[in-house]
Amino acid sequence: AQSVTQLGSHVSVSEGALVLLRCNYSSSVPPYLFWYVQYPNQGLQLLLKYTTGATLVKGINGFEAEFKKSETSFHLTKPSAHMSDAAEYFCAVSERRAQKLVFGQGTRLTINP
Amino acid sequence: GAVVSQHPSWVICKSGTSVKIECRSLDFQATTMFWYRQFPKQSLMLMATSNEGSKATYEQGVEKDKFLINHASLTLSTLTVTSAHPEDSSFYICSAPPAGTDGYTFGSGTRLTVV
Repeated sequence: AQSVTQLGSHVSVSEGALVLLRCNYSSSVPPYLFWYVQYPNQGLQLLLKYTTGATLVKGINGFEAEFKKSETSFHLTKPSAHMSDAAEYFCAVSERRAQKLVFGQGTRLTINP
Repeated sequence: GAVVSQHPSWVICKSGTSVKIECRSLDFQATTMFWYRQFPKQSLMLMATSNEGSKATYEQGVEKDKFLINHASLTLSTLTVTSAHPEDSSFYICSAPPAGTDGYTFGSGTRLTVV
């Protein structure tokens, strides 16, 4: 069965600083990987996804993530944090297209002025 | 892109009553709908998977008789929390699997408070 581990339940960075949110997964087959953002009392918005092809994936709002099979990782980065990036971020994996998503524990990102 | 409309956004009900949450796929057909539950400051946990025309598949530990899921048509899936109790208070979110190259589409969620 697949699983996802997000290192750090809370990450705090200064505005303009690099954002790095860590995600490691386990899967018995080549995974489909996702990053979602959630604002309070709202649903989830897709930031980016990896299915096949290029391992560096660019998403919305300046975020990107790199699929590293050897490290079973899919870390999310953004070069320069903005106040509006403050939210909860979830990494998720599915083993096949359109199958259920398994979520990590989530990382709360705080941006300091 | 694909949109899933979830209603209500929030609901307060008395203990012992039932609450129905609806998720509609607005511009596409969803043969499958995933239902998640999220406690405050926690992750999303899959409760069940509804399939149009067949019985829902429940995750281990989820009470089938308490959380009734119906997938009445290709555009509507419902979750009914029966005989609700305060411990059922949570954030419930539905999600449709990707169509084409899209990602999973999530409803906006329902905040249920049982008093």
